[in-house]
Amino acid sequence: GAVVSQHPSRVICKSGTSVKIECRSLDFQATTMFWYRQFPKKSLMLMATSNEGSKATYEQGVEKDKFLINHASLTLSTLTVTSAHPEDSSFYICSASLAGDQETQYFGPGTRLLVL
Amino acid sequence: LAKTTQPISMDSYEGQEVNITCSHNNIATNDYITWYQQFPSQGPRFIIQGYKTKVTNEVASLFIPADRKSSTLSLPRVSLSDTAVYYCLVALVSGGYNKLIFGAGTRLAVHP
Repeated sequence: GAVVSQHPSRVICKSGTSVKIECRSLDFQATTMFWYRQFPKKSLMLMATSNEGSKATYEQGVEKDKFLINHASLTLSTLTVTSAHPEDSSFYICSASLAGDQETQYFGPGTRLLVL
Repeated sequence: LAKTTQPISMDSYEGQEVNITCSHNNIATNDYITWYQQFPSQGPRFIIQGYKTKVTNEVASLFIPADRKSSTLSLPRVSLSDTAVYYCLVALVSGGYNKLIFGAGTRLAVHP
């Protein structure tokens, strides 16, 4: 149980285009979803926390107009990287948790984004 | 700035017990300590979680002292497939708020 999927697993795009990444909880309803960014050989950096039906809470230094997060249902959250640039190239990982248990996060497999 | 501290890397051999400690001085009072395992190009995988004392499951044990300012993940009899990065995740008190913080990760290499 507690499976989280991400799509796509990898994407290559041209600079200036937008990319949408989907995160789905397959067998449970996720009250909260998290979006992380991870650089090579570095730890996970939390970008934002989203609760179903409300606006995402962004971490300091993360541009909310650059990284649009939508959490329209209890099983789906999307991250859109708008006007992507090469410095946005990274490994993006989502996770989901149940209400009141944010320490137990179920992670997706990650999405490798390469912006040319 | 509240943060956690883990060893950057560790080496071990198959069959040995490995203990990885995470220090978290500013841990929030009511939150759990959770450890994750991550293989390259994959999302982290939940290993174990505890609040205090000792917790054991089928893959690991977690030791937490009474002051909860550190926690030790214990992997019994490691195998080559345990080569991965291990992260602690704790809620730290920072600026009056509780903030979930991932440790920097410990890169474990298990050798034949």
